[in-house]
Amino acid sequence: ETGVTQSPTHLIKTRGQQVTLRCSSQSGHNTVSWYQQALGQGPQFIFQYYREEENGRGNFPPRFSGLQFPNYSSELNVNALELDDSALYLCASSLVAGGSSGANVLTFGAGSRLTVL
Amino acid sequence: DQQVKQNSPSLSVQEGRISILNCDYTNSMFDYFLWYKKYPAEGPTFLISISSIKDKNEDGRFTVFLNKSAKHLSLHIVPSQPGDSAVYFCAASGWRTNAGKSTFGDGTTLTVKP
Repeated sequence: ETGVTQSPTHLIKTRGQQVTLRCSSQSGHNTVSWYQQALGQGPQFIFQYYREEENGRGNFPPRFSGLQFPNYSSELNVNALELDDSALYLCASSLVAGGSSGANVLTFGAGSRLTVL
Repeated sequence: DQQVKQNSPSLSVQEGRISILNCDYTNSMFDYFLWYKKYPAEGPTFLISISSIKDKNEDGRFTVFLNKSAKHLSLHIVPSQPGDSAVYFCAASGWRTNAGKSTFGDGTTLTVKP
């Protein structure tokens, strides 16, 4: 079985620009979660997608948006980039029954490192 | 306000000894807890979990203990091996919200010396 793959691995943007990060879920998984990990901190939950709809969001502004496609791959879009958006962005997939409950385990990708100048 | 705290940024132990990593949480709604391990340039990988109906869960060399009254959990690694050197994250979620929406601590860097 394939794991979670993310692209690009590294990218540099300037303040005010927009960025799109991509993620391919692990085979058989139906849910995608995105996390932001700033240097020296743990991953922070951005949002989750289930059945192509947002299924919960953390404390992130609307300029962070996402998509989930029928093949369960996903995109994270960030508009109007700010310097504080510089971080490692982690995508994680899981298999959730019913979309709301269960002791599911996340399978993470290696992340996309975004630097905003 | 950080709801999951790992107060020790780093821990160094000798190979063969026990490693104990600690985690505290403040949100009473958390009822499912996980530990992830992260090597450099890789994503976190799941290690072990425990639900609030238990106070201990074992998997080989790894044991997680949960003290609900103290809102504290710990991960024991016995015996520690050099390959265990990594960053360990504690994560917590509510059963109803699913672990895809976990709250993570800031991690503890474990170094196991040969």
